[in-house]
Amino acid sequence: DAGVIQSPRHEVTEMGQEVTLRCKPISGHDYLFWYRQTMMRGLELLIYFNNNVPIDDSGMPEDRFSAKMPNASFSTLKIQPSEPRDSAVYFCASSWSTREQFFGPGTRLTVL
Amino acid sequence: ELKVEQNPLFLSMQEGKNYTIYCNYSTTSDRLYWYRQDPGKSLESLFVLLSNGAVKQEGRLMASLDTKARLSTLHITAAVHDLSATYFCAVDNAGNMLTFGGGTRLMVKP
Repeated sequence: DAGVIQSPRHEVTEMGQEVTLRCKPISGHDYLFWYRQTMMRGLELLIYFNNNVPIDDSGMPEDRFSAKMPNASFSTLKIQPSEPRDSAVYFCASSWSTREQFFGPGTRLTVL
Repeated sequence: ELKVEQNPLFLSMQEGKNYTIYCNYSTTSDRLYWYRQDPGKSLESLFVLLSNGAVKQEGRLMASLDTKARLSTLHITAAVHDLSATYFCAVDNAGNMLTFGGGTRLMVKP
């Protein structure tokens, strides 16, 4: 299996621009998670889906953040408009049932 | 709110030495994970601990879980340079929601 796939791996954008991060979970996994990692706040869970349905989005920092999972093999995390404080590494992870989560390589986002 | 604390945050040790990383958490949970992260890389699953008294070993690393004490340990035996990384514990908050500790950055010196 190819593992969790994320794109892009690096994104540099200017403040105010829209950013879309993409994730393909491991085939057969029914849970998908979006995390953010920063030096100041560590690893934070933003939102997670079960069978394509958002279950808990309490970690989403603001209305500028939105996530979708239109099918079992694709999810997006969108930031609109982006701000410098959104700069971080964003990880997508997936799991089968409540088993261990497997992480993607991450997207390093820099907002200038 | 579940809080997960790791200590130490930073650990510099000599090759061949033993040491233990501690992970304390604030509310009841019987599911705990250990992950490894190399600089600039993703998180790699090391251990899954699912019940009180669980002990798992892989090479020079051994993890244990005491749910009554709300404590997990990651013991390093005869450290080698390749173990240098940041180690995270993560506690299952409620049905698959993980709360991560702050991480322990381990440096093993020759």
